[in-house]
Amino acid sequence: DTGVSQNPRHKITKRGQNVTFRCDPISEHNRLYWYRQTLGQGPEFLTYFQNEAQLEKSRLLSDRFSAERPKGSFSTLEIQRTEQGDSAMYLCASSDRGRREKLFFGSGTQLSVL
Amino acid sequence: AQSVAQPEDQVNVAEGNPLTVKCTYSVSGNPYLFWYVQYPNRGLQFLLKYITGDNLVKGSYGFEAEFNKSQTSFHLKKPSALVSDSALYFCAVRDRDQNEKLTFGTGTRLTIIP
Repeated sequence: DTGVSQNPRHKITKRGQNVTFRCDPISEHNRLYWYRQTLGQGPEFLTYFQNEAQLEKSRLLSDRFSAERPKGSFSTLEIQRTEQGDSAMYLCASSDRGRREKLFFGSGTQLSVL
Repeated sequence: AQSVAQPEDQVNVAEGNPLTVKCTYSVSGNPYLFWYVQYPNRGLQFLLKYITGDNLVKGSYGFEAEFNKSQTSFHLKKPSALVSDSALYFCAVRDRDQNEKLTFGTGTRLTIIP
């Protein structure tokens, strides 16, 4: 497999702007997860898709955050009206039907909100 | 609610010595437990998991972990440390009866001294 791919690797934006990140999971992985990690902390769960259906959302995911996974392939995470507190590493992970407990993580998108 | 505690931010071990990275957890139902490792500029990598069965779980790179239900612990161990084991290690828990959310600890930085 080619691994989980995330783009961009880095994003610098001004407060109040909208940003969108993309995640391409390992092909044929039906489960896709978004996590957020800040310095000195472990990853925090944001949301989870099984195929195209968004089945779980964390309370961390405010109304400014939206995630989609059209056609059950790649996923996008959009943050509207960014705030400085949104600065973090956004991680995507995927897993397959047979080994759902083993998550494969991408390298992440580092967001800096100025 | 589910949580993980990694009481040590930093663990230093001499090369060739045994190593232990500690983890305790709290979950209302039955736990799934995991260890992930994070190398610089790379995504989180799965090391091992406990789902059910034998309390001693063996994983990648010679690591193992022991599930102790009475102490709610899942410590990571290796009999002989290598310099290449130096990395950031995360313990994680999921309530198998509740949801797909993995809750991670804050991580332990392991440094192997040559």
